[in-house]
Amino acid sequence: AQSVTQLGSHVSVSEGALVLLRCNYSSSVPPYLFWYVQYPNQGLQLLLKYTTGATLVKGINGFEAEFKKSETSFHLTKPSAHMSDAAEYFCAVSESAGYSTLTFGKGTMLLVSP
Amino acid sequence: GAVVSQHPSWVICKSGTSVKIECRSLDFQATTMFWYRQFPKKSLMLMATSNEGSKATYEQGVEKDKFLINHASLTLSTLTVTSAHPEDSSFYICSARDRTSGRELFFGEGSRLTVL
Repeated sequence: AQSVTQLGSHVSVSEGALVLLRCNYSSSVPPYLFWYVQYPNQGLQLLLKYTTGATLVKGINGFEAEFKKSETSFHLTKPSAHMSDAAEYFCAVSESAGYSTLTFGKGTMLLVSP
Repeated sequence: GAVVSQHPSWVICKSGTSVKIECRSLDFQATTMFWYRQFPKKSLMLMATSNEGSKATYEQGVEKDKFLINHASLTLSTLTVTSAHPEDSSFYICSARDRTSGRELFFGEGSRLTVL
């Protein structure tokens, strides 16, 4: 069985500050890990994903995440927050490349203040 | 990038009626599509996996007769909420896996269903 835990349902930062969204996972096999962003009343957009290889993954909009197997973590970071980053962020884990076992965390709402 | 379109984006219906939501892959073929349900302030819950030309595979606890899924072509899957009740009100999202690469999953914009 697999699961995802996102610490903090809400994270507030000031514009220009570091963004850190936490994600821990559990998986019985080497995981595929994803971060998605959702804007209000919209579907999900892939920010980045880890499958194999380099553990530091760079995504769109300046986001990156690091896969740490020893900590079973895949935290999402961005050096400098923009107002447009305000959205809901979901971490997800899959035990296959086919996405049939994709499991989402409960999401973290990122709030960015001027 | 690849586009997945859902229609309608918003739908309001009376209790007891049926509502059909379409999920289309606009510029790629999708042998597999997934349907999710998202409750307010909750995560996405996988409802079913829809395979072109075959019956959908439903997750445990999802009523097959309540949520009818049809995947008649490589670019279209439909979710029909039958005899809708207020508790069926939710945000429904589909996703589609690119047939050629199989490694990318693209999400639709979601459909907000409100049952009165």
